[in-house]
Amino acid sequence: EPEVTQTPSHQVTQMGQEVILRCVPISNHLYFYWYRQILGQKVEFLVSFYNNEISEKSEIFDDQFSVERPDGSNFTLKIRSTKLEDSAMYFCASSAVAAGTEAFFGQGTRLTVV
Amino acid sequence: AQSVTQPDIHITVSEGASLELRCNYSYGATPYLFWYVQSPGQGLQLLLKYFSGDTLVQGIKGFEAEFKRSQSSFNLRKPSVHWSDAAEYFCAVVGGGNTPLVFGKGTRLSVIA
Repeated sequence: EPEVTQTPSHQVTQMGQEVILRCVPISNHLYFYWYRQILGQKVEFLVSFYNNEISEKSEIFDDQFSVERPDGSNFTLKIRSTKLEDSAMYFCASSAVAAGTEAFFGQGTRLTVV
Repeated sequence: AQSVTQPDIHITVSEGASLELRCNYSYGATPYLFWYVQSPGQGLQLLLKYFSGDTLVQGIKGFEAEFKRSQSSFNLRKPSVHWSDAAEYFCAVVGGGNTPLVFGKGTRLSVIA
C-alpha cells in the first residue's frame, strides 16, 4: 500500500540552527501539506502546496518557514532559525485531488529544539 | 472559517463496552468530515470519512460515524472496544475545494480490562 514517508523520525537541533524536514509523498498525488502538533495540543495546519507553489498557509507559517519540492519526489519543510517553541511533531500529508478527498499522513518527524 | 470541537479530552472505557466520541463542527454548508486515529508515536490514520449520501458511514477497525446536520455533529462509535483501540482520536473538517483539514483537539481513549 502506498504511503507517505518522512525522515528523520526524530531530530534534535540547537536553537538558532536551520533544519530541513523531508517527506516523500505518494507518487501520483498532487497536493502536499505540512501540519504540526505541539505536544498535547491539536494538529495545526501550516501550509499546502500545489503545482510547485504554496496554495495556502496559516499564520504560523511565517518567514522562518519555507517549503520546496526540489526534485519531483521529495517535499521539504525548512525552518531557518529554530526557536524553542518550534519543538513539535511535524506531519507531512498528500492527497490525490484536493484535501476534501482524503489526505494521507506520514509518521511524522519529532523536532526537539534545545 | 470552519472549526471542530471535541468536547471530551479523555475517555476511559472497559474492553468490550461500547464507545461514542463526540465531534461538533462549525461550517456554513455541508462539510467533508473525517475521523483520524493516532496511536502512540505513530502518524495519523484515516478511520472514515463523510462527503455526502448516507449519513451513517462505516470505517476501518469496526468504527462507524453518523453525520447529523441538525446537530452539526459527526460522532464516532464502536459497539465493542478492544484494548488495541487505545489511542488519540481526531475529528477533522474540510470546507471544500483545496482548503486544508482543520482538526479538533482530539480525544484520548483509554481502555481498561
